[in-house]
Amino acid sequence: AQSVTQPDIHITVSEGASLELRCNYSYGATPYLFWYVQSPGQGLQLLLKYFSGDTLVQGIKGFEAEFKRSQSSFNLRKPSVHWSDAAEYFCAVGAGTYKYIFGTGTRLKVLA
Amino acid sequence: NAGVTQTPKFQVLKTGQSMTLQCAQDMNHNSMYWYRQDPGMGLRLIYYSASEGTTDKGEVPNGYNVSRLNKREFSLRLESAAPSQTSVYFCASRAQAGSYNSPLHFGNGTRLTVT
Repeated sequence: AQSVTQPDIHITVSEGASLELRCNYSYGATPYLFWYVQSPGQGLQLLLKYFSGDTLVQGIKGFEAEFKRSQSSFNLRKPSVHWSDAAEYFCAVGAGTYKYIFGTGTRLKVLA
Repeated sequence: NAGVTQTPKFQVLKTGQSMTLQCAQDMNHNSMYWYRQDPGMGLRLIYYSASEGTTDKGEVPNGYNVSRLNKREFSLRLESAAPSQTSVYFCASRAQAGSYNSPLHFGNGTRLTVT
């Protein structure tokens, strides 16, 4: 079955520390993978996407993600977190022509 | 550019009442979507419209109806609200339905409580 798993419900990091948010997917074909960010009271905004080619993709706001087919993972990283990065992060896989499967989200808290 | 606009932002209904959630996009997108977001469950697709004049069911369509009024507008109707429909509802749009090169653009959501 197609699925997306984000194993961490909450993560807390200190400002300036590095960040890695985990995402594992289950999908039979070559996946289209996405990370979205949701700030409080807002809709979701696309951070980055992976379709093919280079397995390390760069996104907005200094985020990057690495696709590892052997581990069925697409983890999101940032070298130095800013207080404004506090938000909820969703991993998603494009599953078919119209459908996205979203993970359950990871809520990031940033300590000053 | 307003992007995707949803109204209302908040709504409280009693069980059995009906209401329509409105969504409009000004990006000339072909496809529009309605999702619901519940704690611990991520986003689940209710209905989508691949293009003007078409609508299709998503994962959780029961208790909802939709209307693609024109290319800009896609409304979601609850005919007889139930407490299980308490959720945050997001409308989204995409330029092209069949290509992931066109990402989803989301509205800011409608927080609905059914008592």
